[in-house]
Amino acid sequence: GEDVEQSLFLSVREGDSSVINCTYTDSSSTYLYWYKQEPGAGLQLLTYIFSNMDMKQDQRLTVLLNKKDKHLSLRIADTQTGDSAIYFCAERGGDSWGKLQFGAGTQVVVTP
Amino acid sequence: EAGVAQSPRYKIIEKRQSVAFWCNPISGHATLYWYQQILGQGPKLLIQFQNNGVVDDSQLPKDRFSAERLKGVDSTLKIQPAKLEDSAVYLCASSLAATGEAFFGQGTRLTVV
Repeated sequence: GEDVEQSLFLSVREGDSSVINCTYTDSSSTYLYWYKQEPGAGLQLLTYIFSNMDMKQDQRLTVLLNKKDKHLSLRIADTQTGDSAIYFCAERGGDSWGKLQFGAGTQVVVTP
Repeated sequence: EAGVAQSPRYKIIEKRQSVAFWCNPISGHATLYWYQQILGQGPKLLIQFQNNGVVDDSQLPKDRFSAERLKGVDSTLKIQPAKLEDSAVYLCASSLAATGEAFFGQGTRLTVV
């Protein structure tokens, strides 16, 4: 099965907050990442969190990490139409070469 | 700073033909990755290089896929012969080190007909 799992779809109204959730299985993960992918484009790194942290804030983005439950979330404050995209959670494993594994992505649709 | 460059952007081939993709990573990045992204799925790691050595190719279908990274810089990924199920976007990424942030190119969209 998938090592990184995400819900597939989220609809949110413009101006509201979005919360995207992710669970992972590798307890030795070192870093966890959030990437954004717009149609026809590559993956854009949004933010990341080191595994010994439980929260990181970067402007409108807040990442929360519950290492005990292996749960990661990304909160986007004041969601805008430009935030409509697919968001991928990724974990970097604790092995020597830091294998980077992705979830299936959450499609976020922002409605006016 | 220039990002990860990939070419071509699009490719359409018939099944059983061969195809090659090229990637130029960010200057100075030691780690290079090739991912396959099938429509509606997350990227799947095919192969990871550290400089010009392979450190993970466990999910690379070695009977038809091959990759090389000459002189630890540019890389090519080849498929021979292609199958219909190889239709996907092939993403190249690079990071300064194996534990660093990975930056992605725009990808090559392959359609096998």
